Amino acid sequence: QSVLTQPPSASGTPGQRVTISCSGSSSNIGSNYVYWYQQLPGTAPKLLMYRNNQRPSGVPDRFSGSKSGTSASLAISGLRAEDEADYYCAAWDDSLSGYVFGTGTKVTVL
Amino acid sequence: EVQLVESGGGLVQPGRSLRLSCAASGFTFDDYAMHWVRQTPGKGPEWVSGISWNGGSIVYADSVKGRFTISRDNAKNALYLQMNSLRAEDTALYYCAKGAYSNYEDNWFDPWGQGTLVTVSS
Repeated sequence: QSVLTQPPSASGTPGQRVTISCSGSSSNIGSNYVYWYQQLPGTAPKLLMYRNNQRPSGVPDRFSGSKSGTSASLAISGLRAEDEADYYCAAWDDSLSGYVFGTGTKVTVL
Repeated sequence: EVQLVESGGGLVQPGRSLRLSCAASGFTFDDYAMHWVRQTPGKGPEWVSGISWNGGSIVYADSVKGRFTISRDNAKNALYLQMNSLRAEDTALYYCAKGAYSNYEDNWFDPWGQGTLVTVSS
């Protein structure tokens, strides 16, 4: 049961910028960090962004994150074919005392 | 290199039990919280449970509370998930994931194992 809402799909041509939104509430995004995971077909999810806008080592700076109030966004600039994947946001929820994930966004490179 | 290898999945009838294991290597296991996250094919991940570095603090998703038990053996660098009273809706790929800190709250999962498949069906 996803508590965080994402658009089901997003697309762009190579080189374009794509933005994915993640909408939550005061008990999760509104009061805690947002994390983003990338899941390539047939593989386990991989950490893409932590603490709202921090990139782990090895993640290209084409990826950027932001948070405002109870929403967050992930932007991919200079879109590349290898960015075609499912993207999930996540956050700790104070009311549930657990983690919640987003509904997921499938990014397609046209 | 950090490695997490899950095992113990399989086909089980509704109402029965199964125990998953996760073997960890490449990092100081007892410095970090650990988690189980599951995913049904075609759907997003669902966090299942988290355990602090020494097992002193444990938390579960409401969907598994009272049926699943998470534990760890720091001497063996191993994480476990005992799953009882299994239901069809527990069918999923179960991932073991390393937390970023010693406690389980408000941190990220990195890395994830490759998962072990649990199928609950008669």
